[in-house]
Amino acid sequence: AQKITQTQPGMFVQEKEAVTLDCTYDTSDQSYGLFWYKQPSSGEMIFLIYQGSYDEQNATEGRYSLNFQKARKSANLVISASQLGDSAMYFCAMREVTGANSKLTFGKGITLSVRP
Amino acid sequence: SAVISQKPSRDICQRGTSLTIQCQVDSQVTMMFWYRQQPGQSLTLIATANQGSEATYESGFVIDKFPISRPNLTFSTLTVSNMSPEDSSIYLCSVVESFYEQYFGPGTRLTVT
Repeated sequence: AQKITQTQPGMFVQEKEAVTLDCTYDTSDQSYGLFWYKQPSSGEMIFLIYQGSYDEQNATEGRYSLNFQKARKSANLVISASQLGDSAMYFCAMREVTGANSKLTFGKGITLSVRP
Repeated sequence: SAVISQKPSRDICQRGTSLTIQCQVDSQVTMMFWYRQQPGQSLTLIATANQGSEATYESGFVIDKFPISRPNLTFSTLTVSNMSPEDSSIYLCSVVESFYEQYFGPGTRLTVT
């Protein structure tokens, strides 16, 4: 079964507006972590934000915030005040704690295009 | 956060040849991984590079095709052997600093002709 689901094929947003990128996950673990990475056309993977399963507050990091809804198993990334430089692929990922397993599992990614 | 460098940043290779990719980290890290990202796809874990012992490969990846070395806690190499066009990908080195911190190198963009 797919552990990380990102179904939005591509997203467009006007510069200076906010955008939400969807991510749902599947796990039976109680302890896990959720990550978002940005990949511009250069190919590097840039860490954006982390949310732990036990964190009571939604994570925030500058213009990035994570809308964590544990019961619904969703961890959507919200980018406020979009900038042209936000145009990139965005990947949601999860790390479960199952024995010695500490690997990141990635979703398929979402392409975000910011329009001027 | 750890600073990770990779060499080469990109290369174009002939089929049947091999390429060795280097990953250097500016601090000692226990866990180091190699990922492959085929064109338009997500990241797939190739293997965990273990210091002083053989790498742990994921299903679908074998040591003969992707030999990995990890001589110390700051350096690793991945070799892509006997290359075919299907090996054209971005190869990324990654390190884990804690449960909630995993960082990636800038990637090596490989094209096989």
